[in-house]
Amino acid sequence: QQQVKQSPQSLIVQKGGISIINCAYENTAFDYFPWYQQFPGKGPALLIAIRPDVSEKKEGRFTISFNKSAKQFSLHIMDSQPGDSATYFCAASGGTSYGKLTFGQGTILTVHP
Amino acid sequence: DAGVTQSPTHLIKTRGQQVTLRCSPKSGHDTVSWYQQALGQGPQFIFQYYEEEERQRGNFPDRFSGHQFPNYSSELNVNALLLGDSALYLCASSPLGGMNTEAFFGQGTRLTVV
Repeated sequence: QQQVKQSPQSLIVQKGGISIINCAYENTAFDYFPWYQQFPGKGPALLIAIRPDVSEKKEGRFTISFNKSAKQFSLHIMDSQPGDSATYFCAASGGTSYGKLTFGQGTILTVHP
Repeated sequence: DAGVTQSPTHLIKTRGQQVTLRCSPKSGHDTVSWYQQALGQGPQFIFQYYEEEERQRGNFPDRFSGHQFPNYSSELNVNALLLGDSALYLCASSPLGGMNTEAFFGQGTRLTVV
């Protein structure tokens, strides 16, 4: 019940295209859903996060869409750039977890110039 | 603000040895969590420290232990190292007791066990 499933495992997009990464969760107590970006040899960097009281949150080229009834959320990267090439992780926390993050398996995004 | 800092950045140890990793949280943060990230995987929660005590723990053996100091910095200790302990160890800090607030990660310590 603690799992977060992420897809696809890898994604190749052309420069200027839209990158979409999906996650699904099982634990209905989760109420905080961040996305992290990680470059090789670096720690994950918080990109954007959402709580279930809204269905969408946008920050610059990055948008999270959230579907509470389906227990799914997704990251959309508009106008994808080669510099966006990285591994993206969705995560979730909530209930009595005191911020303990449960991560998805990660998506390796490659943006071709 | 230096953010979350971890030391050392890289470490090579021999099977059976013990290792200590260190973490200084972001200024104003009082909660420190440790994660293990195997190659090609998402980070896995090891444990969390708040008010100098281990508040919750993931599915890791007792060989993994930790400590939090009064200045909120933290250490992760691993005893009797196994080859499978080779991974990137990440420290994350949060404010306000970590109650589902933002968690910021350090750059990690790459541990290689040979």
